[in-house]
Amino acid sequence: GESVGLHLPTLSVQEGDNSIINCAYSNSASDYFIWYKQESGKGPQFIIDIRSNMDKRQGQRVTVLLNKTVKHLSLQIAATQPGDSAVYFCAERNGNKLVFGAGTILRVKS
Amino acid sequence: NAGVTQTPKFRVLKTGQSMTLLCAQDMNHEYMYWYRQDPGMGLRLIHYSVGEGTTAKGEVPDGYNVSRLKKQNFLLGLESAAPSQTSVYFCASSYLGGRDEQFFGPGTRLTVL
Repeated sequence: GESVGLHLPTLSVQEGDNSIINCAYSNSASDYFIWYKQESGKGPQFIIDIRSNMDKRQGQRVTVLLNKTVKHLSLQIAATQPGDSAVYFCAERNGNKLVFGAGTILRVKS
Repeated sequence: NAGVTQTPKFRVLKTGQSMTLLCAQDMNHEYMYWYRQDPGMGLRLIHYSVGEGTTAKGEVPDGYNVSRLKKQNFLLGLESAAPSQTSVYFCASSYLGGRDEQFFGPGTRLTVL
C-alpha cells in the first residue's frame, strides 16, 4: 500500500505571517519534547525543547506549546521569513532515545 | 569544536558489498545514535550507544552492525549491502540521552545499486 510518509503535510505561509506547525505524540508518559528544523541536504538542527512540567516555552521568534491532555505539541514561528523554509520535525523522549514524527514541510512565499 | 562529523559524505555500493560509516563527536557525549532517513520520511533509529563499549538496537537494526570502541566514535557497518539500504544516514550525539538535545552530523548519502 501507499506509505503515508511519502506525502508530508505542507504548510504554505506568506512572508511576515505567523506559522503554526502541529504534532501529535503517542506516549502520555513522555516527559521531554523537541523541535528540529531540517533544510534540504543538511542534518536536523535544534530549534527549541520543552519538558512536561511546562506548557509553553519561548525562544527567539519561536514558541512551543504543549497540551498533555490531548497529547499535542505545536511550534509557532513569528514573522516567518524565507529562511524558515524547511522540514520541521517534532520528537518525544522514549527512554534514552528520541522518537521522531514524519515531519511537516514549511514553504514561505515572498 | 567540530561537533559531529561523518565520513564519507557520499558513497555508491553494489549489492553485496560492505562498508563502514564513521561518526565522530568532540563534545564528550556519552550517547550516540545512527538514523536513516528515506525520502519524505522522518528519522528512524538503527542502533544507538549509551556509552563506550555499549550498543543497543533501535527501530530498524536488521542488516546493520555498530561498534563503539572509543567514546568519541560510533561506527555503522553494512556487511552485505542491499538496494533497500539506499538512504541518507545521520549520526547524532547527546549528553543526557533522550533528556536533551541531540546534535546531528551532516549525513552520508548512500546508494546501493
